[in-house]
Amino acid sequence: AQSVTQLDSHVSVSEGTPVLLRCNYSSSYSPSLFWYVQHPNKGLQLLLKYTSAATLVKGINGFEAEFKKSETSFHLTKPSAHMSDAAEYFCVVSTLGTYKYIFGTGTRLKVLA
Amino acid sequence: SQTIHQWPATLVQPVGSPLSLECTVEGTSNPNLYWYRQAAGRGLQLLFYSVGIGQISSEVPQNLSASRPQDRQFILSSKKLLLSDSGFYLCAWGGIFSGNTIYFGEGSWLTVV
Repeated sequence: AQSVTQLDSHVSVSEGTPVLLRCNYSSSYSPSLFWYVQHPNKGLQLLLKYTSAATLVKGINGFEAEFKKSETSFHLTKPSAHMSDAAEYFCVVSTLGTYKYIFGTGTRLKVLA
Repeated sequence: SQTIHQWPATLVQPVGSPLSLECTVEGTSNPNLYWYRQAAGRGLQLLFYSVGIGQISSEVPQNLSASRPQDRQFILSSKKLLLSDSGFYLCAWGGIFSGNTIYFGEGSWLTVV
């Protein structure tokens, strides 16, 4: 069975400081992992994905995530937060061929001026 | 390139009325199609997915149904809406032409009054 846990429901950072959004996963097989961002009243946009290639994955808008199999983690980071990064972020796990994508409960990022 | 459209964007419906949300995908063939619901302040719940015309899998028992009358069309319906059906509904597509990634439409806000 697959599952994903986002460890923080809310994160607040000051503009210009680093962002860390934490995600742990559980999967019986080699997982595919994703981060999506959702701005208010919008659909979800793909930030980045890991599919068993390089463990450090770079995405859009300066975000990156590192796949750590030993820790079953896929944390999302950004060196310097912008006001436009304020949104909800979802960590997602899937396995090739299962057609299913399991979503975390989301982390709401607040960026303070 | 592939695009996904869903409509209507917002609707307010009385309890007991029917519902039809429509989703279409362009630029690909035989996509996997998904309907998710996002209740206010909560994560995404998978409602239905489809791997082909007429093939619908339901994830949770509820007041809703889905149909796939054409390869790239996915419809979410209800015969009689309940207050608890209110939420943000998201259509998504994925499959072999998407690199095992799902892509979302802009969503439909449903308020049942």
